[in-house]
Amino acid sequence: DVKVTQSSRYLVKRTGEKVFLECVQDMDHENMFWYRQDPGLGLRLIYFSYDVKMKEKGDIPEGYSVSREKKERFSLILESASTNQTSMYLCASSLYTGYQLGTDTQYFGPGTRLTVL
Amino acid sequence: DQQVKQNSPSLSVQEGRISILNCDYTNSMFDYFLWYKKYPAEGPTFLISISSIKDKNEDGRFTVFLNKSAKHLSLHIVPSQPGDSAVYFCAASEGNQGGKLIFGQGTELSVKP
Repeated sequence: DVKVTQSSRYLVKRTGEKVFLECVQDMDHENMFWYRQDPGLGLRLIYFSYDVKMKEKGDIPEGYSVSREKKERFSLILESASTNQTSMYLCASSLYTGYQLGTDTQYFGPGTRLTVL
Repeated sequence: DQQVKQNSPSLSVQEGRISILNCDYTNSMFDYFLWYKKYPAEGPTFLISISSIKDKNEDGRFTVFLNKSAKHLSLHIVPSQPGDSAVYFCAASEGNQGGKLIFGQGTELSVKP
């Protein structure tokens, strides 16, 4: 079974703090993703990475950065946390080979509920 | 512009009856569709998928139907059980987009005993 773990389930930070959210997957997947989930808005893609040291912006990258130094680890960084970044953050990974249908299936971690005060 | 839409935010069904969750999309280049189930305070779990070359895929109590001409897919759960109560997200991907999934807003299903 694919296992995706996230460093914290719940986190409370103050406005202006730098926040690190870490994600680790154990299935040697090529691709990793960071989403945030807000009521009525579904899952919105922040950043994704298809290889070590590679990253691409998703739909809502403003205020966030990412780091992928090792294949199994993908970090989301909030440079200066703001109250509108209070949300559920979800990490996912997928095999994605680009030519084999079905490898797009993403497997999610348990999520981090971040509250910024 | 929302490419994947779930127009019903919530659905309530009696235990033992059929639950039908709907999803519409606008991008005709989508070739793979998925349903995820999410309990509160947990990450989404993959439920079932379908490729655009099929119109139906079944897995136990779960069946997904795809109508490409209408750009519509649906998830049928028969029979519904109280443990099925969760938020259901549909998602779609386009083959050459790096494995990105586009998610709908979600439908909260409540199955009453």
